[in-house]
Amino acid sequence: SQQGEEDPQALSIQEGENATMNCSYKTSINNLQWYRQNSGRGLVHLILIRSNEREKHSGRLRVTLDTSKKSSSLLITASRAADTASYFCAPSNSGYSTLTFGKGTMLLVSP
Amino acid sequence: NAGVTQTPKFQVLKTGQSMTLQCAQDMNHNSMYWYRQDPGMGLRLIYYSASEGTTDKGEVPNGYNVSRLNKREFSLRLESAAPSQTSVYFCASSESAMGNQPQHFGDGTRLSIL
Repeated sequence: SQQGEEDPQALSIQEGENATMNCSYKTSINNLQWYRQNSGRGLVHLILIRSNEREKHSGRLRVTLDTSKKSSSLLITASRAADTASYFCAPSNSGYSTLTFGKGTMLLVSP
Repeated sequence: NAGVTQTPKFQVLKTGQSMTLQCAQDMNHNSMYWYRQDPGMGLRLIYYSASEGTTDKGEVPNGYNVSRLNKREFSLRLESAAPSQTSVYFCASSESAMGNQPQHFGDGTRLSIL
């Protein structure tokens, strides 16, 4: 397994603004997952993007993947206070593989 | 829809005591995992069980043992707790150990060792 590195470490925005966080990884991957963790709770799976996909949407979430740059981004549009959480990426580079989580991006959305 | 259930939610131990953290999933998943999460360190994999009857070490297995009791249950045991094991422990499950499977997490056990 390989670890993704999220950037920035922390992000503070106002409600209604868009939030963008990035993930970089080192070697080729088959897919990349994004997770959210609310304070005091476990991680929740948000979205999975495969290496042959460039963009994927789920509600207010938009994920892009640039395999040439070995990076992914997660965009949350029209942020709400309830989006306040830590966000983690987990790249996977083989079929049978455990996931490795980085330190995450801590997003604070203020009313 | 219980998903992944962890017990207990909180525990305080003294150095040298032992305890078992319990995890059960009701999604008929084959694979289960134990992580620890420390401030500034992200999540680190302790042990995992790709399928019933198998267990494998993760990144930080020292000081821990696991048992895959059946398909539903995966327990983590601290034989002789040390202050360095103070952490939040998360159990997760997935349909398989393939890297394209999302993992489902419990809400953690907060463990303090004095």
